Amino acid sequence: DAGVTQSPTHLIKTRGQHVTLRCSPISGHKSVSWYQQVLGQGPQFIFQYYEKEERGRGNFPDRFSARQFPNYSSELNVNALLLGDSALYLCASSPGSNWGTDTQYFGPGTRLTVL
Amino acid sequence: DQQVKQNSPSLSVQEGRISILNCDYTNSMFDYFLWYKKYPAEGPTFLISISSIKDKNEDGRFTVFLNKSAKHLSLHIVPSQPGDSAVYFCAALLGTYKYIFGTGTRLKVLA
Repeated sequence: DAGVTQSPTHLIKTRGQHVTLRCSPISGHKSVSWYQQVLGQGPQFIFQYYEKEERGRGNFPDRFSARQFPNYSSELNVNALLLGDSALYLCASSPGSNWGTDTQYFGPGTRLTVL
Repeated sequence: DQQVKQNSPSLSVQEGRISILNCDYTNSMFDYFLWYKKYPAEGPTFLISISSIKDKNEDGRFTVFLNKSAKHLSLHIVPSQPGDSAVYFCAALLGTYKYIFGTGTRLKVLA
């Protein structure tokens, strides 16, 4: 079975630009979460979606937005990029039926560099 | 405010010996904890979890211990193998959907 896939693998943008990151969950999983991992830190929660609805969000500015599609894939959008947005962006999927105690399975991440 | 802390950035252990990775937390509302392992260029991989109603959970070579009064959990790997060399993150569940991760401990198992 295919795991969580993310695209692109790497991305270089300049300050002020917009970026869209994509995630395809494990087949049968209905929940997708997004995390930001800055070098030397642990992943930080950005959003969780379940059945196309936002279930929760972390302490990130409104420049960060996401959505989930009918096939349960998801996009993370970041507007007006700042240098500090440079990070590894991780997507995780889970079945979604047991809320937090569902195991989250992570993709390999998208490495975003903002110049 | 770091609610989940892994105070040891790195740990080296001889192959075959026990690896003990530690994690402290500050929020008494956490009631579910997990350990993830991360290899370079890969996403974190789930290892083991524990609910706050337990003090120990075991899965093969991996055992997680939870001391609620001390707000401390630990991951024991016995015996350690070179393939266990990775960064280990502990995480705590806040509410019903938000995982709070520690900063990670890099484990190196020496052959």
